Amino acid sequence: ETGVTQSPTHLIKTRGQQVTLRCSSQSGHNTVSWYQQALGQGPQFIFQYYREEENGRGNFPPRFSGLQFPNYSSELNVNALELDDSALYLCASSEVSGVTYEQYFGPGTRLTVT
Amino acid sequence: GNSVTQMEGPVTLSEEAFLTINCTYTATGYPSLFWYVQYPGEGLQLLLKATKADDKGSNKGFEATYRKETTSFHLEKGSVQVSDSAVYFCALKLAGAGSYQLTFGKGTKLSVIP
Repeated sequence: ETGVTQSPTHLIKTRGQQVTLRCSSQSGHNTVSWYQQALGQGPQFIFQYYREEENGRGNFPPRFSGLQFPNYSSELNVNALELDDSALYLCASSEVSGVTYEQYFGPGTRLTVT
Repeated sequence: GNSVTQMEGPVTLSEEAFLTINCTYTATGYPSLFWYVQYPGEGLQLLLKATKADDKGSNKGFEATYRKETTSFHLEKGSVQVSDSAVYFCALKLAGAGSYQLTFGKGTKLSVIP
């Protein structure tokens, strides 16, 4: 069983640029969530996708957007990058079943905005 | 709103010492509670969980009991090892339809010295 993978591992961008981060969900999982983890902080929920539709969103501006594909892989896009967007971006996949569904995290993409 | 408060770190212990990391939460409704662990340079791994009051989650010698009366979910381990050195995150997730996200605490860094 393949776990959650993310690419790239590290990325350096300049303020104002756009970035796309990618996530491949664990086999059999139809839900993906994205989190931002600033240095020394806990992860903050960005949004979740279920069967290619946005299923919930945290307190992030519209320049954070996403896609989920039929094979349940996913992208996180961030436009007009700001210095504060520098963080570890985590993707988590899950299979919706029952009241609670366990989320499996990828290793993350470290984004640095200069 | 929903929130998780963890004890401030870092925590430094000698090998075989007893570990307690305090976690309290504020939530509307009845959340499920989780402990995640993050090893250096890696994503988050689920350590244990509890879905209702008085449940005890356990894994790899770690335990935590869901205490509704004190809104707490303290993590304990009787004898820590150097390999337990990591950052530990307490998290909650609301039950039921429309509950999408994990809400994390800020994390507690544990260092175990030989």
